[in-house]
Amino acid sequence: NAGVMQNPRHLVRRRGQEARLRCSPMKGHSHVYWYRQLPEEGLKFMVYLQKENIIDESGMPKERFSAEFPKEGPSILRIQQVVRGDSAAYFCASSRGPPRNEQYFGPGTRLTVT
Amino acid sequence: GQNIDQPTEMTATEGAIVQINCTYQTSGFNGLFWYQQHAGEAPTFLSYNVLDGLEEKGRFSSFLSRSKGYSYLLLKELQMKDSASYLCAVRATAGANNLFFGTGTRLTVIP
Repeated sequence: NAGVMQNPRHLVRRRGQEARLRCSPMKGHSHVYWYRQLPEEGLKFMVYLQKENIIDESGMPKERFSAEFPKEGPSILRIQQVVRGDSAAYFCASSRGPPRNEQYFGPGTRLTVT
Repeated sequence: GQNIDQPTEMTATEGAIVQINCTYQTSGFNGLFWYQQHAGEAPTFLSYNVLDGLEEKGRFSSFLSRSKGYSYLLLKELQMKDSASYLCAVRATAGANNLFFGTGTRLTVIP
């Protein structure tokens, strides 16, 4: 009965490199959400996806960030040309869908940009 | 815009009861969630309220008043392991499934 899985748990990148964060939702869940948490701040919504579709990307920065949830395999959050300000914890959550649609979170990926 | 307010920090004694308040102003409302987050770990789901009233689950209860834009999380018989951040989150509309989170309340339980 695995929960939401994320990898890697820790990722170090130099400025200008690319970061790829992976998320496998809980079994039976087809809705995936990505959030970012900066130190001492609340979780901020980035993007909501269902299989092969981006439903809401209103919280995603317009440049350098992209997300996908392919038919097969995990959801991926991709950050190109990382900058120091991208250093944060990135959490993925999944849900079964309406009506309650409660979200269950993965352990997060801590990205450090040096 | 969306605004969710919680106290930044609280301290309570082991065995006691503590109430963590949350007020919100959002463009719509379709449910309020409470999560617990230990330092360096993932948020874990505690409770969900969509109608006014009290939801009880063991040592944890959550209350909602939609007309006042107000919720609280009540923790009874506090244990040391309850030291964590407690996050209030609102789902603003039925169509959008993302949650708006407050910055969280850091609770410290002392002996």
